[in-house]
Amino acid sequence: DTEVTQTPKHLVMGMTNKKSLKCEQHMGHRAMYWYKQKAKKPPELMFVYSYEKLSINESVPSRFSPECPNSSLLNLHLHALQPEDSALYLCASSQEQVGYGYTFGSGTRLTVV
Amino acid sequence: AQKVTQAQTEISVVEKEDVTLDCVYETRDTTYYLFWYKQPPSGELVFLIRRNSFDEQNEISGRYSWNFQKSTSSFNFTITASQVVDSAVYFCALSEFYRMGNQFYFGTGTSLTVIP
Repeated sequence: DTEVTQTPKHLVMGMTNKKSLKCEQHMGHRAMYWYKQKAKKPPELMFVYSYEKLSINESVPSRFSPECPNSSLLNLHLHALQPEDSALYLCASSQEQVGYGYTFGSGTRLTVV
Repeated sequence: AQKVTQAQTEISVVEKEDVTLDCVYETRDTTYYLFWYKQPPSGELVFLIRRNSFDEQNEISGRYSWNFQKSTSSFNFTITASQVVDSAVYFCALSEFYRMGNQFYFGTGTSLTVIP
C-alpha cells in the first residue's frame, strides 16, 4: 500500500462547527505532516509529527488541533474557523530521515462559511 | 529570502512542444535534496524525482528529464513532446540535511498548460 488516504475529500463548515480531517497511511512512515494550500500558492507547513509526537508547529492558530493516535493515523481537529481558513488541506508522510520524499494524500477541500 | 525560486509563474505550450521548467535554489548546506512534484487539478501532489547534492548526474525518465547544476544552483525540468495530461502545477522543493524534521522549502510553482 503506497497511498495516503484523506477523508473527507470536501468539507463545508460553519464558523461555529467542529469537524475533523482524517489521514491514514500504511507504508510504515514515521513522519506525518499537515500542509495548508491556498489557491495558486505552494503548500505551507502546519504541523510535523515524528514517531507520533508533535515535533513542529508552525505557529498555527489554536483553532487547528492536530492529533496522532497511532503511527498510521493523523487527524486535524477544526473548531471556530474563519472564512480565510478555506483552503486545500494536505496530509503527507515520509520516512523520518531527511531527504526522503513525501507521499501526499489527495487533500481535503475545506470551505468555511 | 526565498530558498527555492521558480521564476516562471505560468507557461503555455502547444502539444508536442518541449518545455523546460526552471528551478533555482539557495542553501549553505553541503548536503541537501531536491525534488519535483506535479499537482494536477485534482489536487494531489505527485512525486516525480529526488536528487541529492552529491549526485549531479542528469536523469531521464521517459519524456521527463532533469538537469542538476550545482555551479548555478539550478535543477531544471524538461518535458519532451508535451501532452495535454502534462497540464498541472509543478513544484520544485529543497530539503536541507541540518533542518529539523525533513521539512521542505517549496518554490511558488509553475503552472503549465498544454494546448491540444
